[in-house]
Amino acid sequence: RKEVEQDPGPFNVPEGATVAFNCTYSNSASQSFFWYRQDCRKEPKLLMSVYSSGNEDGRFTAQLNRASQYISLLIRDSKLSDSATYLCVVNIPFRAGNMLTFGGGTRLMVKP
Amino acid sequence: GAVVSQHPSRVICKSGTSVKIECRSLDFQATTMFWYRQFPKQSLMLMATSNEGSKATYEQGVEKDKFLINHASLTLSTLTVTSAHPEDSSFYICSAIRTDPYGYTFGSGTRLTVV
Repeated sequence: RKEVEQDPGPFNVPEGATVAFNCTYSNSASQSFFWYRQDCRKEPKLLMSVYSSGNEDGRFTAQLNRASQYISLLIRDSKLSDSATYLCVVNIPFRAGNMLTFGGGTRLMVKP
Repeated sequence: GAVVSQHPSRVICKSGTSVKIECRSLDFQATTMFWYRQFPKQSLMLMATSNEGSKATYEQGVEKDKFLINHASLTLSTLTVTSAHPEDSSFYICSAIRTDPYGYTFGSGTRLTVV
């Protein structure tokens, strides 16, 4: 079983739609959770951290359910520029520090 | 702030040659850097953890003699792909941990093509 699992998609949605992605993680020792965005042939960029109480940043809302070990990302009022791959990332304690483990990514395509 | 510079951004080399990729933290000191590899339509896979002043820690399945990592200073880690083969063609990305504030910063990646 992969440590971080995501539906690869693609999710094809029209502009203005609301879309949600889920992610599950297997290591209960995971401490921190993030959503990264990766555009084609570019490095990942932090979209938002995910807090236990849930957090919102503009059109983006992230939720964490520790009991079920899943994370979600909700995008409202989708824009064409939201088209990208969204990576669920989990910070797992290891050896001398922490390391990021990436999900396979969920591809989003927003159409006009 | 918290910029990580990765160079080169793109390289094409002949099979059998070696390629060095540099990762520099420009405005902070990074005792730990990570090297990832990403094949098309796949996620980032951790190759190794680079620790300043000590040997790198390699993930299972990554050949340490093929992917040489040197972290000689607090701002520079290098990855050398030795005797490159076409199957080594991939997108290589480094990441550094900053401590204040705590977080990860990624380099812009290096697209390696071995012909």
